[in-house]
Amino acid sequence: DAKTTQPPSMDCAEGRAANLPCNHSTISGNEYVYWYRQIHSQGPQYIIHGLKNNETNEMASLIITEDRKSSTLILPHATLRDTAVYYCIVRVASGNTGKLIFGQGTTLQVKP
Amino acid sequence: DTAVSQTPKYLVTQMGNDKSIKCEQNLGHDTMYWYKQDSKKFLKIMFSYNNKELIINETVPNRFSPKSPDKAHLNLHINSLELGDSAVYFCASSHSDRPNQPQHFGDGTRLSIL
Repeated sequence: DAKTTQPPSMDCAEGRAANLPCNHSTISGNEYVYWYRQIHSQGPQYIIHGLKNNETNEMASLIITEDRKSSTLILPHATLRDTAVYYCIVRVASGNTGKLIFGQGTTLQVKP
Repeated sequence: DTAVSQTPKYLVTQMGNDKSIKCEQNLGHDTMYWYKQDSKKFLKIMFSYNNKELIINETVPNRFSPKSPDKAHLNLHINSLELGDSAVYFCASSHSDRPNQPQHFGDGTRLSIL
């Protein structure tokens, strides 16, 4: 079973920031938080991951609370192409057994 | 160039047939995976291979037999196809010695059983 909880759906206006929350209250000290997204008819696409520090890359920012029990993915300027299902996943970075356990994710609809 | 490629993209066949799906990655990864996404859109791990060795088998029926001829390929053969096998099958790959690096996914094979 997935170890994360996400809202099933969210809307965001084009050009505004999209903030997607995720609860992972049972996260262990050696587990990372990963975010993937799945655009319709495509395979899951990696976005970002982090352990305890906030992270930023060219796609998004990841804010992890100090107790690590929740995190927020931020898409700073959402576009229509960001409409997708966003998955928050926690997993141990354990090398060759690192399977991903997907939950239901959050369906983000970016509206003009 | 596509990093993780799957063939075919669409597969329509009749119940009881045997079919194979192929996956190839050109990322130099040593670990490959098969995931299944059912009609309710849940993505679940099926198998994982590391250096051609099976390391994850998530209680998948033995009608499903993965085969890894080398580190860059992981094929999935399915015998005696059933209606419930209709789904999208995704292949993925990663590095085992870079444990916190992401998995890269193909665009899926859409299997429809008539």
